[in-house]
Amino acid sequence: DAGVIQSPRHEVTEMGQEVTLRCKPISGHDYLFWYRQTMMRGLELLIYFNNNVPIDDSGMPEDRFSAKMPNASFSTLKIQPSEPRDSAVYFCASSNWETQYFGPGTRLLVL
Amino acid sequence: DAKTTQPNSMESNEEEPVHLPCNHSTISGTDYIHWYRQLPSQGPEYVIHGLTSNVNNRMASLAIAEDRKSSTLILHRATLRDAAVYYCILRDPPGGGADGLTFGKGTHLIIQP
Repeated sequence: DAGVIQSPRHEVTEMGQEVTLRCKPISGHDYLFWYRQTMMRGLELLIYFNNNVPIDDSGMPEDRFSAKMPNASFSTLKIQPSEPRDSAVYFCASSNWETQYFGPGTRLLVL
Repeated sequence: DAKTTQPNSMESNEEEPVHLPCNHSTISGTDYIHWYRQLPSQGPEYVIHGLTSNVNNRMASLAIAEDRKSSTLILHRATLRDAAVYYCILRDPPGGGADGLTFGKGTHLIIQP
């Protein structure tokens, strides 16, 4: 298995632009999670899905952030418009129950 | 959520055992103790978890205190590849379904050659 796949691995954009991060979970996993990591706040959960349905989005910072999971093998996290404070590493993880498997992350820099 | 307390950093020598402590004095009776680690420039990875009994796997051992207010992750023979941030996390029972992980600051483990 290729593990959790994220794209792009690096993204540099300018303030105000739309950013879309993509994630392909491990096949057969029912849960998908989006996390963000910054030096100031550490690793924090943004949102998670179960069977493609959002369960808890209380960690999403504000309305500029949105996440979708149109099918079991794909999810997106979109930031529109992006701001410099959104610069972080964004991780996607999937699980079938207890153990979460993380992707390599997308390093986002908003100028 | 019950909180965990870990030392900010620890240092050890290569090929020696490492004991990483975690305090969780407010743990509930059904909380599982999970450990994840994050190697430099990588996503976190699962290490081990347990409820009451000590647990062993190919990566590490988990020793849980009898009163469950603390636990210790044991790396039996550390290598340079074990240098990472180690997170101790409490989770609701699996019967409650999966949920997001709440990461603290973790312990930054430094391995000296």
